[in-house]
Amino acid sequence: QKEVEQDPGPLSVPEGAIVSLNCTYSNSAFQYFMWYRQYSRKGPELLMYTYSSGNKEDGRFTAQVDKSSKYISLFIRDSQPSDSATYLCAMSAINTGNQFYFGTGTCLNVIP
Amino acid sequence: DAGVIQSPRHEVTEMGQEVTLRCKPISGHDYLFWYRQTMMRGLELLIYFNNNVPIDDSGMPEDRFSAKMPNASFSTLKIQPSEPRDSAVYFCASRRTGANVLTFGAGSRLTVL
Repeated sequence: QKEVEQDPGPLSVPEGAIVSLNCTYSNSAFQYFMWYRQYSRKGPELLMYTYSSGNKEDGRFTAQVDKSSKYISLFIRDSQPSDSATYLCAMSAINTGNQFYFGTGTCLNVIP
Repeated sequence: DAGVIQSPRHEVTEMGQEVTLRCKPISGHDYLFWYRQTMMRGLELLIYFNNNVPIDDSGMPEDRFSAKMPNASFSTLKIQPSEPRDSAVYFCASRRTGANVLTFGAGSRLTVL
């Protein structure tokens, strides 16, 4: 079993829709959770960062962490064509040193 | 800050040739990471450095791969000899002590024919 599982998609939604992206993980020691956005032929860029459980909101983006279920989500409200990209979840823990565990990414396409 | 700088952005070479990828981390970042990204396997950690010292190279696939960091502002990843299965996008990332997030460069897209 992989440390982090993420549905690769692709996920196509109409402009304005609410998008839900998810990852599951197996290591209960993970404490730091990140979402990266990667545009085509670009490097991943940090979108959201959360520590431990709970929600974090930044504009149209909300990150949720449910440690009891080992499940994290990224919600995008009022999705825009400019949100079309691949979204990668990532996580780490103090006892994993500098290992950041990445999902394989979900490809999102927002249709105008 | 200019961010993490990688070169070349694209490299096309023939099997058996030597390939050298370069990275300049963000100033003040004391950790540097080399990742490889493919459709099949996603992002794979190859090696990382702390204060210019290689800490974990267990992800380096074979002896054909080597990495160096001669100073705090420069690192290289070398593949010699290159093979078609090395075709991928290679990313460099850096972070500073105390920060739990990585900043990635734009990547070097390698095609080995």
